[in-house]
Amino acid sequence: DQQVKQNSPSLSVQEGRISILNCDYTNSMFDYFLWYKKYPAEGPTFLISISSIKDKNEDGRFTVFLNKSAKHLSLHIVPSQPGDSAVYFCAAAGGPSSIRNQAGTALIFGKGTTLSVSS
Amino acid sequence: GAGVSQSPSNKVTEKGKDVELRCDPISGHTALYWYRQSLGQGLEFLIYFQGNSAPDKSGLPSDRFSAERTGGSVSTLTIQRTQQEDSAVYLCASSFLTGLNSPLHFGNGTRLTVT
Repeated sequence: DQQVKQNSPSLSVQEGRISILNCDYTNSMFDYFLWYKKYPAEGPTFLISISSIKDKNEDGRFTVFLNKSAKHLSLHIVPSQPGDSAVYFCAAAGGPSSIRNQAGTALIFGKGTTLSVSS
Repeated sequence: GAGVSQSPSNKVTEKGKDVELRCDPISGHTALYWYRQSLGQGLEFLIYFQGNSAPDKSGLPSDRFSAERTGGSVSTLTIQRTQQEDSAVYLCASSFLTGLNSPLHFGNGTRLTVT
């Protein structure tokens, strides 16, 4: 069963417009969430994160929103640029205080959404 | 400084052979993860090492898969009696701790092809 779901495999947006990437999770033990970006033939790179005690975190053109009651988060990119074209992965984990084990849960990724920004 | 290093970058092997994939994490990082990405799929969690805690092996797909982390540093992922469905990019990642402020740093992966 997938604990982290990205239901849209792809998204196409025009340059300058907003890109919204969505993610849902099922494990209530998750208490922090991250977005990673991946270019072909490279490993994923960290983009932005959010703790469950917040509902929004912003970093430049990137904003992550968290709705705990809905177990849903989203990444907003505005304005979108052609260089943003990549696969975006949502990830979630439980912190060291989780009862599963002292070290916390493993970081679980969704299947990714391929974003294409056209100029 | 140096990032996460994985070797080999590409590996082609015959079905039934054993393979070993190596990961050199960033020095001082206590957490180490293995993931794999099959064609058209997302990142599938395999195994997670955190300091001296027992590894979380819950993602290993079968008993043909095993991993070790020696001296809290280098890790080796071993796949015995490889099958064609094992073909994927195997990604290693490390972080200083686990938690919000310790994002994972990924290597570029090992592309495994089983013929």
